[in-house]
Amino acid sequence: AQSVTQLGSHVSVSEGALVLLRCNYSSSVPPYLFWYVQYPNQGLQLLLKYTSAATLVKGINGFEAEFKKSETSFHLTKPSAHMSDAAEYFCAVSHAGYSTLTFGKGTMLLVSP
Amino acid sequence: GAVVSQHPSRVICKSGTSVKIECRSLDFQATTMFWYRQFPKQSLMLMATSNEGSKATYEQGVEKDKFLINHASLTLSTLTVTSAHPEDSSFYICSARDSRDWEDTQYFGPGTRLTVL
Repeated sequence: AQSVTQLGSHVSVSEGALVLLRCNYSSSVPPYLFWYVQYPNQGLQLLLKYTSAATLVKGINGFEAEFKKSETSFHLTKPSAHMSDAAEYFCAVSHAGYSTLTFGKGTMLLVSP
Repeated sequence: GAVVSQHPSRVICKSGTSVKIECRSLDFQATTMFWYRQFPKQSLMLMATSNEGSKATYEQGVEKDKFLINHASLTLSTLTVTSAHPEDSSFYICSARDSRDWEDTQYFGPGTRLTVL
């Protein structure tokens, strides 16, 4: 069985501040890990993914995430928040040969001027 | 690349009627597509996995006779909500997995907002 825990249903930052969204996973086999972003009334857009290559993964819009096996974590970061980053972010886990994704509950990122 | 479309984006229907939602992969072939349901301010709930040319696999608790899924081609899956009731009102999102992608990445459609009166 696999699961994802996203700490904090809401994260508030000021524009220009560091963004850190936390994701911890549980998986009995080597995981594939994904971060998706969802804007209001829209589908999910893939930000980045880890699939057993480099542990530091760079994605779109300046986001990156680091896979830490010892901590079972895959936290999402961005050095400087923009107002346009305000959205819901979902972490998800899968693994090779099993295409179903297990999602976390999501974290709403709020960016203030 | 990896674009998934859904149609319609928004639908309002009367209780008791049926509604069909289409999910298309526009620039890749998708052997497998997925249907999710999302309630306000909640995460996505997987309803079923749709495989081209075979029956869909439904998650526990999802009524297969109510949510009919057809995956007749490598680029199209449809979800039909039969005899819709107000409690079926929700945001339905599909995703598709590129048949050539060994990393199992799912690409999501923009979603369909269903309101049943």
